[in-house]
Amino acid sequence: AQTVTQSQPEMSVQEAETVTLSCTYDTSESDYYLFWYKQPPSRQMILVIRQEAYKQQNATENRFSVNFQKAAKSFSLKISDSQLGDAAMYFCALTGANSKLTFGKGITLSVRP
Amino acid sequence: GAGVSQSPSNKVTEKGKDVELRCDPISGHTALYWYRQSLGQGLEFLIYFQGNSAPDKSGLPSDRFSAERTGGSVSTLTIQRTQQEDSAVYLCASSQFQGAALEAFFGQGTRLTVV
Repeated sequence: AQTVTQSQPEMSVQEAETVTLSCTYDTSESDYYLFWYKQPPSRQMILVIRQEAYKQQNATENRFSVNFQKAAKSFSLKISDSQLGDAAMYFCALTGANSKLTFGKGITLSVRP
Repeated sequence: GAGVSQSPSNKVTEKGKDVELRCDPISGHTALYWYRQSLGQGLEFLIYFQGNSAPDKSGLPSDRFSAERTGGSVSTLTIQRTQQEDSAVYLCASSQFQGAALEAFFGQGTRLTVV
């Protein structure tokens, strides 16, 4: 079985500032992958960033980066230089080699102008 | 197609009626997922297909829910005798194949309202 926990239901950040969204997970598999998805009001889920568990280097995509702590089973998302368009729900997700894609409950991020 | 297509976008139905929700995955994607998202909530896994078979149906909430996939492509989620608690957004996703760190692409969902 695998679980994903996002304990913060919502966060707020000032435009141009940096914010970190937390996620912890649990899985019995040794080969797995972690994702952050963004869901704006349009409902369209968009992949923000992905991390292969076997890679030690943290993934980075422009203003988005992760802090992957494998031993602690932690996978946080850092958004730098926050923009108004970053306001959305963000979901942390996990998939193993032979299992389904499991999501956390999500966090609502608001960006203050 | 260019993306995952779901139809209808919105569906209002009377309690007790049956509904069918359709998902057209991206061509060539063998893995297909159905999720349910209640208002302001996370994604609740319903069922997952690899090709035409469903190795994991553990998320279907009751025997009123069923799903099938034909030709390794289109999938239909059927809810029989709908109840008000079935009201939610039903999201479909597909990926190139299961067991890889490949992106799951989502449709825009079907918003089901049971009145």
